Formats: sequence, structure tokens, C-alpha cells
Amino acid sequence: EAQVTQNPRYLITVTGKKLTVTCSQNMNHEYMSWYRQDPGLGLRQIYYSMNVEVTDKGDVPEGYKVSRKEKRNFPLILESPSPNQTSLYFCASSSQDRYGYTFGSGTRLTVV
Amino acid sequence: GQQLNQSPQSMFIQEGEDVSMNCTSSSIFNTWLWYKQDPGEGPVLLIALYKAGELTSNGRLTAQFGITRKDSFLNISASIPSDVGIYFCAGIANFGNEKLTFGTGTRLTIIP
Repeated sequence: EAQVTQNPRYLITVTGKKLTVTCSQNMNHEYMSWYRQDPGLGLRQIYYSMNVEVTDKGDVPEGYKVSRKEKRNFPLILESPSPNQTSLYFCASSSQDRYGYTFGSGTRLTVV
Repeated sequence: GQQLNQSPQSMFIQEGEDVSMNCTSSSIFNTWLWYKQDPGEGPVLLIALYKAGELTSNGRLTAQFGITRKDSFLNISASIPSDVGIYFCAGIANFGNEKLTFGTGTRLTIIP
């Protein structure tokens, strides 16, 4: 089944403790992206990648890092999480010849 | 980043009613997308629009790409319980898939 898989689905952590949210897609898509969803703000793009080793900032990149060492994986790294990064995070992927992303099921992160 | 204003923020309707929602922008988009998000899941693409003035249907859903390229509309006819969810518009300003700008969403609730 074609899908975007994120892990974990839920995570509670403490301020300052580094964490990684993994994302993997099995559709051989070139594009991958991370979004955060907050009430009243919709989905805001954190980072995106157009292909392996090619990444760029979205609208809200502060406090996040990404890497794209392999085409299928696009992990989101929070080096020192803070409470304002409590949010619902979505990874998404798309092929270069079709508009519109396929989204994962989300990771709900709480930073206390 | 660019802003998409989506209205209404929420709708409470009875089963069988038609639904209309819209999305407006202060700047031009070259592609408009409409997504639906069910509780606990990531957004799923419903309709993609590629040309100003385009009208596209997907079952009971019809979406239009505004002539000015600064707005888009989604209509749902004869609503059913499974239409409940949050609907998001998204725009792509450039001719690449790397950056989608999302609206803030319209939450649709069906009153029994």
C-alpha cells in the first residue's frame, strides 16, 4: 500500500531533550515536506526537500532540523524542544509530476 | 509567508444540505488544491485545479479556480454524515510542488 509512515504517533517529552520524528514513504517520491498544525493557524510548512541532499526552509523552520540522506526518509529533528513546539506534525510526500502531497497520519508532540 | 483566508471557519448543517466554502488570497496562485482531514488523520487530497476559471467535480464535490487566481471555492451537494471533517484549501504560487500554502480550514459538522 502506498503510504507515508510517521513515528511515533504520540510523544511527550521534556524541554531540551533532543528528539527525532521519523518519516518514510514507499512511493519513490522526490518531494517531501514537514508541516505543523496548530488550532486556528492551519498547516504551516517547516521544511521541504526536493530530492536527496536538497532541503530548504519553509515558513516556520526555527528550532527544527531535517536531513534527506535517502529518497524514502525525511526525519524531523528537534535539537532542544521547547513548549511552543507542542503541536501536531505531518510529514508529506509528492512526485515531481503531480501536484498535491500525500500526508502521513501525524505525530502529536507535547513538550512539557 | 503568504496567507490564505478561508471561510467560514465552521459550519453546522443538517444532512442533505448543500455546503459552500471559499478561500481568498492577497496574491496569485497557479494551482489550487482542496483537502479534507478526518479526526486523527492527515489531510487527503480531494480536488486539484490548474487553470483560472476551471471547474472540477469529484462526486458530490465541485471546486472552482477563481478567474482572478486569488480565490477558490468548494461546494458539497447533498451532504452525508461522512462529510464531517475539516476542509483545507491550499495554493501553490510557483510551478513546483515544493511549497503549498494552506488555509486555516473550515470545520464541517452535521447536526442529526
